[in-house]
Amino acid sequence: QSVLTQPPSVSAAPGQKVTISCSGSSSNIGSNYVSWYQHLPGTAPKLLIYDNNKRPSGIPDRFSDSKSGTSATLGITGLQTGDEADYYCGTWDSSLGAWVFGGGTRLTVL
Amino acid sequence: EVQVLESGGGLVQPGGSLRLSCAASGFTFTSYAMTWVRRPPGKGLEWVSAVSGNGRTTYYADSVKGRFTVSRDNSHNTLFLQMNNLRAEDTAVYYCAKVLTWRGAIDYWGQGTLVTVSS
Repeated sequence: QSVLTQPPSVSAAPGQKVTISCSGSSSNIGSNYVSWYQHLPGTAPKLLIYDNNKRPSGIPDRFSDSKSGTSATLGITGLQTGDEADYYCGTWDSSLGAWVFGGGTRLTVL
Repeated sequence: EVQVLESGGGLVQPGGSLRLSCAASGFTFTSYAMTWVRRPPGKGLEWVSAVSGNGRTTYYADSVKGRFTVSRDNSHNTLFLQMNNLRAEDTAVYYCAKVLTWRGAIDYWGQGTLVTVSS
């Protein structure tokens, strides 16, 4: 059971927009920055978004995030087949003294 | 270019030990915390352990506390994870990664090394 809660899967058609939710608590999302990662098994996970909608170099602005209270949301616009992957939210949990991740959301681009 | 490269994975019996290594390059190693994250087969990412840039502060997930030890050799830009008393549930791909800001985002990850605990 993950500390952060994500939907197991989402899907949308190419060119469409999708959102992935991440729900936590006051000790994690409520008091720390959230980051989002993209992962294809067999490859290195990739940082997509961090510290209130900042993107590392090379990450397109099709990826964005928002936060409200103890929940965060990743948005992906202009979906491409290459976006099919597992997506994870992550943050520091001040009560646990640990990094925590969501259970992951599998994105399918139909 | 930032690179992190894990090694040391393999097959080990329950109760056995294994030491993972991670060679880092392309950044000032001592200035950044480093972390280990794993992904068990069919499951999601699970944070394992982290160490501060100077090696003095360490953190562990409850599931590995007392069995795993993280350390670093800043003179050789290398991160280690000593894993003792391994269990079947420790079977996973283990990723070494650079921490962007302490208790913040994890920005560069390796390709991972597979650890299989089985008799």
